[in-house]
Amino acid sequence: DTGVSQDPRHKITKRGQNVTFRCDPISEHNRLYWYRQTLGQGPEFLTYFQNEAQLEKSRLLSDRFSAERPKGSFSTLEIQRTEQGDSAMYLCASSNSYEQYFGPGTRLTVT
Amino acid sequence: DQQVKQNSPSLSVQEGRISILNCDYTNSMFDYFLWYKKYPAEGPTFLISISSIKDKNEDGRFTVFLNKSAKHLSLHIVPSQPGDSAVYFCAASYDYKLSFGAGTTVTVRA
Repeated sequence: DTGVSQDPRHKITKRGQNVTFRCDPISEHNRLYWYRQTLGQGPEFLTYFQNEAQLEKSRLLSDRFSAERPKGSFSTLEIQRTEQGDSAMYLCASSNSYEQYFGPGTRLTVT
Repeated sequence: DQQVKQNSPSLSVQEGRISILNCDYTNSMFDYFLWYKKYPAEGPTFLISISSIKDKNEDGRFTVFLNKSAKHLSLHIVPSQPGDSAVYFCAASYDYKLSFGAGTTVTVRA
């Protein structure tokens, strides 16, 4: 296992379109996290799963965002009706302890 | 509200000298602290961590110090090497969720 992977690495979409990102965690990790990072800022927590259960969602996460982790393995993050303010790097991380290990991220550009 | 702050956006240091990065936090419920390093177009890479019950943790060239009474932690890198040039993020954990600072860009000069 080589670490956390994310797909796609880059996504350009028009405002109003839906997009979906995938994250494959380190296989033995039971917790999976989604973060968003904008220029000049650190990553901001969006949501996390323990196995297949979604345990918490940030109040920053609007109703247009939804995440799933079927069977406690990979996870998807969907953004509906994208807005220009959604342009950011979306990072996934996985963990079995306090240390979280990040994937390379998906850079979303909404035009 | 920013619960974790890195007040120095950048740091320039000569190769071989010590780099000291600082971080302050406001939430006394944080129970674990971490430092991450990030290169452009990559995700953050875990560097070193410290539990709130300790005041120092060392791993090779990296040492993290925690002062709970001051709600302050620092990362020392010695000696600094050109490959250390990157953005460094301080993070604090509560209930296994991380809050990050805005990062400090370190440039190591030859």
